[in-house]
Amino acid sequence: GENVEQHPSTLSVQEGDSAVIKCTYSDSASNYFPWYKQELGKRPQLIIDIRSNVGEKKDQRIAVTLNKTAKHFSLHITETQPEDSAVYFCAGFGGSNYKLTFGKGTLLTVNP
Amino acid sequence: DAGVTQSPTHLIKTRGQHVTLRCSPISGHKSVSWYQQVLGQGPQFIFQYYEKEERGRGNFPDRFSARQFPNYSSELNVNALLLGDSALYLCASSLAGATNYGYTFGSGTRLTVV
Repeated sequence: GENVEQHPSTLSVQEGDSAVIKCTYSDSASNYFPWYKQELGKRPQLIIDIRSNVGEKKDQRIAVTLNKTAKHFSLHITETQPEDSAVYFCAGFGGSNYKLTFGKGTLLTVNP
Repeated sequence: DAGVTQSPTHLIKTRGQHVTLRCSPISGHKSVSWYQQVLGQGPQFIFQYYEKEERGRGNFPDRFSARQFPNYSSELNVNALLLGDSALYLCASSLAGATNYGYTFGSGTRLTVV
């Protein structure tokens, strides 16, 4: 089955700096890769996603890149703000099971 | 337009008891998936239902079961509760099972087993 690895587990940046979180996946049949932001005690919320026929997608300060050959995808947050502080999860979807497989999460802390 | 609604929001149960969690998908969504999120971990897939049929099952014991009703709402049942079942149980709905469009999570049910 699918295995999604996520790094780093914690990331601390200064306000205004960029943050990058990286994930790798194992199932070459996976075709959809969402990123979720989860604040303490709340549900995961989709912040950006990318499908396997696209190499890069951007939404304001957030971008995601996908390298299908290497089976990795990354989340880039520019001009970070304190309200970006949260746990971020990458996930992969597709293959024979209709499920999302999540990484273990990255705790992002943006220091004012 | 209501999002994915889950009930109850919090629940405390004793070991050995049974629990039923409920989920109503976004209007028009025909697929419901269940996930378990243990503190400090990513959500783990339990079940997916599409058009009232089980489409996928994760690596969970038979104590976990689910069903989907004609109105596309769903129940997750857990029998013989263990302390390790304490977690946030998330329901997600989407338009269809395979294409994964509009995959949206509910706010979850926080289950504590004592």
